[in-house]
Amino acid sequence: SQQGEEDPQALSIQEGENATMNCSYKTSINNLQWYRQNSGRGLVHLILIRSNEREKHSGRLRVTLDTSKKSSSLLITASRAADTASYFCATDGTGANNLFFGTGTRLTVIP
Amino acid sequence: EADIYQTPRYLVIGTGKKITLECSQTMGHDKMYWYQQDPGMELHLIHYSYGVNSTEKGDLSSESTVSRIRTEHFPLTLESARPSHTSQYLCASSADGTGGTEAFFGQGTRLTVV
Repeated sequence: SQQGEEDPQALSIQEGENATMNCSYKTSINNLQWYRQNSGRGLVHLILIRSNEREKHSGRLRVTLDTSKKSSSLLITASRAADTASYFCATDGTGANNLFFGTGTRLTVIP
Repeated sequence: EADIYQTPRYLVIGTGKKITLECSQTMGHDKMYWYQQDPGMELHLIHYSYGVNSTEKGDLSSESTVSRIRTEHFPLTLESARPSHTSQYLCASSADGTGGTEAFFGQGTRLTVV
C-alpha cells in the first residue's frame, strides 16, 4: 500500500506551544499534501509540497519533506484551541493517479 | 468554502434497504472520489472517476456502486445495506488526478445501518 503513517497517533499540548506531526510513506511520490479534519467533518486542504521541494511555509504552518527518508513533518507554531483537529498527510505516488491518506494524528490544544 | 455537497449528512436505515448517497460539485472538476472512514481512522478509497462515464474501484473492496453520468454528479449506491456498511462516506473532487492540486471534500455522510 502507498498509504502513509502519521506519528504520533495523538498529541495533546497547551495553547501557545508548537505541535509537530510526522508522516512516513512507502513509495516514490510526486507531491505530498497535508489536510485537516474537524471531528465528523470533511477534510480541508492545508498545504502541498512537491517532491523537489524541501520546505514550505503557510502562515503558522511549516512543512518539510525528506524524500530520501520518505518522510514529511508538519509544524504548527503558536497553537490555538481552534487548531484541535485530526491532521492527515496524503501522497500520490509516481505512476498512481489518486491520493492515498495516512492514518492521521489527533491534535488536542488545551486552552 | 468548497463547492462540493453531500446529502444526506446523517442517515439511519434498516438492513436490506437500498440507499443512494449524493455528491455534487460545481467546480467543473473531472476527478471525483469516494472514501470510507470509520471514526478516528484513516480514509480508504473505494471508488473514483476520471470524468463522465468513467468509474473505477479503489483500494478498499466495497459492495457499493457508483455512476458518473454528469460531470458534477457522482452518486454512490448500496443495493442492500448491512450493519457492516455503517461508516462515514466522504466525497471529494480535484482538478486533476496526479496529486498536483488539492482535493476538495464534502462534509460527509454518516451512515448507520441497524
